[in-house]
Amino acid sequence: GAGVSQSPSNKVTEKGKDVELRCDPISGHTALYWYRQSLGQGLEFLIYFQGNSAPDKSGLPSDRFSAERTGGSVSTLTIQRTQQEDSAVYLCASSATSGSRGTQYFGPGTRLTVL
Amino acid sequence: GENVEQHPSTLSVQEGDSAVIKCTYSDSASNYFPWYKQELGKRPQLIIDIRSNVGEKKDQRIAVTLNKTAKHFSLHITETQPEDSAVYFCAANQAGTALIFGKGTTLSVSS
Repeated sequence: GAGVSQSPSNKVTEKGKDVELRCDPISGHTALYWYRQSLGQGLEFLIYFQGNSAPDKSGLPSDRFSAERTGGSVSTLTIQRTQQEDSAVYLCASSATSGSRGTQYFGPGTRLTVL
Repeated sequence: GENVEQHPSTLSVQEGDSAVIKCTYSDSASNYFPWYKQELGKRPQLIIDIRSNVGEKKDQRIAVTLNKTAKHFSLHITETQPEDSAVYFCAANQAGTALIFGKGTTLSVSS
């Protein structure tokens, strides 16, 4: 079946502009995660949605970052007033259940470059 | 919150040798420990995982061991092949929380 998809695959923007990144999880998956991977670095947790529960936003690096998940499916990560240090690959993952019972499947990522 | 340390950051082996990557975690409540492989320019993919009710799990050339008392777990790859070259990430979490990843190990297998 279809895996996790993300769009756009690449995004180049100017410093100070807002960007929106989209994630389409695997159909039926209740949990959705956003991670950030800077060049040569590990996967930094940003935010986690589980069903209708309030999202875990503990990984968001600043109030310029926000995310929403509409209808329990598609999610959008928004970065306002982008900075050069926001340049990274943003990865989305989904799982059928949360926590230790759900294998996370990753999307291909969106490479964000802030000039 | 959980913190995961991973060592070494780089590992070079000859084809046919074994490779071992080690991770430690801080939260004793964590009970799920997956390992992901990420090839250059590609998404991370799960290769093996272990839950806290077992101490070892094996899948062909790959095995993972878990020591809950010491709070560490390791990935073992035997008979390494050039196609094993990639970045490997360990992670840990418990129910209802996101995975926390280690910083990754770049494995290079030379023929």
